Amino acid sequence: RKEVEQDPGPFNVPEGATVAFNCTYSNSASQSFFWYRQDCRKEPKLLMSVYSSGNEDGRFTAQLNRASQYISLLIRDSKLSDSATYLCVVNIRGNDMRFGAGTRLTVKP
Amino acid sequence: DAGVIQSPRHEVTEMGQEVTLRCKPISGHDYLFWYRQTMMRGLELLIYFNNNVPIDDSGMPEDRFSAKMPNASFSTLKIQPSEPRDSAVYFCASSWGGAAKHFGPGTRLTVL
Repeated sequence: RKEVEQDPGPFNVPEGATVAFNCTYSNSASQSFFWYRQDCRKEPKLLMSVYSSGNEDGRFTAQLNRASQYISLLIRDSKLSDSATYLCVVNIRGNDMRFGAGTRLTVKP
Repeated sequence: DAGVIQSPRHEVTEMGQEVTLRCKPISGHDYLFWYRQTMMRGLELLIYFNNNVPIDDSGMPEDRFSAKMPNASFSTLKIQPSEPRDSAVYFCASSWGGAAKHFGPGTRLTVL
């Protein structure tokens, strides 16, 4: 089993749609979780951290389910500018953060 | 804040040549990371430093790869000799406290 797994997509959704991504991780001792976005031929950029109680940042909501070892990202009212690859990041030990392969999202007019 | 600075942005070289990638982390950050990204393997951690000391180099593919951090504002990743399979985008990232990371723009390396 991979340490961090994501559905690669692509997810193609119309503007205004709600879309959700899941990410599973294998190390039950993992403590830190993040979502990054990466635009084509650009560097990854931190989108948001994921906290145990779940957290929201505008149209974005992140949740953690420790029992099932997955994290999720929900995007509401999607915009064209949300088109990107979304990377799930989990620490496996210390500061060794493992990146998922990413889920590609395309928002269409 | 200029962010993480990497140079060169693009490098094309021939197999067998030495390649040196450079990184200037964000001032004040105590962690520096080197990642490699390919279509096949995604983003892989190669090595990271804390306060200029290498902490974990288990991701370095082989002895042809070496990394140094002589001071808090500079790090290099060297490949000698380079091979075509080293072609990838190499990212440097820095952080305070080792948690979330700020990535540089990357160096796109092509080894012919």
